[in-house]
Amino acid sequence: ETGVTQTPRHLVMGMTNKKSLKCEQHLGHNAMYWYKQSAKKPLELMFVYNFKEQTENNSVPSRFSPECPNSSHLFLHLHTLQPEDSALYLCASSVRLSNEQFFGPGTRLTVL
Amino acid sequence: DAKTTQPNSMESNEEEPVHLPCNHSTISGTDYIHWYRQLPSQGPEYVIHGLTSNVNNRMASLAIAEDRKSSTLILHRATLRDAAVYYCILRANNNDMRFGAGTRLTVKP
Repeated sequence: ETGVTQTPRHLVMGMTNKKSLKCEQHLGHNAMYWYKQSAKKPLELMFVYNFKEQTENNSVPSRFSPECPNSSHLFLHLHTLQPEDSALYLCASSVRLSNEQFFGPGTRLTVL
Repeated sequence: DAKTTQPNSMESNEEEPVHLPCNHSTISGTDYIHWYRQLPSQGPEYVIHGLTSNVNNRMASLAIAEDRKSSTLILHRATLRDAAVYYCILRANNNDMRFGAGTRLTVKP
């Protein structure tokens, strides 16, 4: 499989649940990103990883916890979320931080 | 961060050219102009980028004003599959991409 893949594509969770979003890229890229896209709001950058090291945390609440075990995989661990966290969560990757980004299809998250 | 201004929405007829404008009057000398688009139910995809000179690729052309305070994304023959939200983004090297609201393009058959 090529490109950027995200699983699951849809997720419904309660506020007390713990879940994880997974992103995988087979493009040989070294940088990976998490974005949040809420209804009627622009895409918001959440986290940036470069060569597995986190280079940016865009003031994201601690109930979102990223993990990058290697350059091909990126996770977003979720716990005690709020209904306002319901959104489309997009993963992207790029060869280097300055290059064009390739986006996955996103995970549509609903928090009840 | 330098900001971009785009119309909220535009309409086009199928097989006609489309010119999507973007104003960026506070652009700095190191800012590249990037365009991405987001088709319905998909993540954004890269379209084109440039610094000073006009650029062409298989998807579109980018015309950059001489003073770099504005640019125009040109789709030479719009198709129904070009209906999307188009984002104009300023980006210095290694800097993060900050998306705005973009322009929602509707293509009429």
